[in-house]
Amino acid sequence: KAGVTQTPRYLIKTRGQQVTLSCSPISGHRSVSWYQQTPGQGLQFLFEYFSETQRNKGNFPGRFSGRQFSNSRSEMNVSTLELGDSALYLCASSTQLAGVIYEQYFGPGTRLTVT
Amino acid sequence: TQLLEQSPQFLSIQEGENLTVYCNSSSVFSSLQWYRQEPGEGPVLLVTVVTGGEVKKLKRLTFQFGDARKDSSLHITAAQPGDTGLYLCAGADRDDKIIFGKGTRLHILP
Repeated sequence: KAGVTQTPRYLIKTRGQQVTLSCSPISGHRSVSWYQQTPGQGLQFLFEYFSETQRNKGNFPGRFSGRQFSNSRSEMNVSTLELGDSALYLCASSTQLAGVIYEQYFGPGTRLTVT
Repeated sequence: TQLLEQSPQFLSIQEGENLTVYCNSSSVFSSLQWYRQEPGEGPVLLVTVVTGGEVKKLKRLTFQFGDARKDSSLHITAAQPGDTGLYLCAGADRDDKIIFGKGTRLHILP
């Protein structure tokens, strides 16, 4: 079974620009989550989509948005980029097991550098 | 806000030694996951622990969930250079948001 794929792997943008990142989950997984990883803050939850609906959201400004398509693929958009948005953006797909057990499978990430 | 505190932050030991890293919280979690992340890659799921007191083994790695489901530990026996990486614990908070600890960066010296 193919893993989670993310495109592009690397991206360099200028302050003020906007960017769209893409994630294809594992086949059959309907939940896709996005995370921002920085050396100082670690992995921080951005949002989760399930069956095209945002099910949960972290504490990030409205410049960060996402969506999920009917085939479970997801995109994340960041508008008006700031230097502090430089980070590794990780996508994870999951299948929720019995109860509230979350086992997530991560893609390799998109390394975004804002200059 | 529920937090997961991992300790130590950094650990560098010689090949063949044993080590334990910890994941602690003041809150109860329904389950905890451990991941390992290597540079330039996404985290890879190692194990999920669910029941208080549960112990799971993955070759030389032993994972334990605290009786009160507030803490977990990862013990590595006879560490090898291939164990080098960032070890992360994660759990779902009461709002079903996944929170991660900041990780333990482990370096095994050959």
